[in-house]
Amino acid sequence: QVQLVQSGTEVKKPGASVKVSCKASGYTFTSYGIGWVRQAPGQGLEWMGWISTSSGYTNYAQKLQGRLTMTTDRFTNTAYMDLKNLRSEDTAMYYCAREGSWSFEYWGQGTLVTVSS
Amino acid sequence: QSALTQPASVSGSPGQSITISCTGISSDVGGHTYVSWYQQHPGKAPKFLIYDVGNRPSGVSNRFSGSKSGNTASLIISGLQAEDEGDYYCGSYTSNTFSWLFGGGTKLTVL
Repeated sequence: QVQLVQSGTEVKKPGASVKVSCKASGYTFTSYGIGWVRQAPGQGLEWMGWISTSSGYTNYAQKLQGRLTMTTDRFTNTAYMDLKNLRSEDTAMYYCAREGSWSFEYWGQGTLVTVSS
Repeated sequence: QSALTQPASVSGSPGQSITISCTGISSDVGGHTYVSWYQQHPGKAPKFLIYDVGNRPSGVSNRFSGSKSGNTASLIISGLQAEDEGDYYCGSYTSNTFSWLFGGGTKLTVL
């Protein structure tokens, strides 16, 4: 069965960087893109970006351009989301999701990132 | 780009049907069929419910259906059950920026 397993909770200080991993299993990794979505406490879903697992092409939300980097490792079937220069407003649950049919079909369990001094 | 517009809350009694709307513009909801819906229970990851406006993935109850008219998509839940209570989000691919947008979410209360 399709599974996306994310790395654990992170606590960071303002200005630091965080790298969240998302290990995929149960399907051919390079056949589907990976999207990243975050959800601030008590708020809705926010699309962050998307990466092609076959070509490495990325598309990021405009508000995160310059701070966000998405990568993949085809040998370990793992996607990574790297967000730098963290601010308090980046405190959120971060999800990876497999993209198919222009939708997000399978989701990771989420990684809580807290930014606090 | 602004989020898609959803009502903040809807409610219904067990057995009834409810509709949640999702309004966008011609470059997202109105421009193609790439509209999807997600259900989220407290403390859980979103669950995929509907794709391409009205198609259900395998395993999703046929009590969930979707439709679209112009720039507004709708999620219809029939035969409401207590387990349907939670938050619902629409999503749409946006063709002019090759990105995705979500709605602000709708909280469904089963009375």
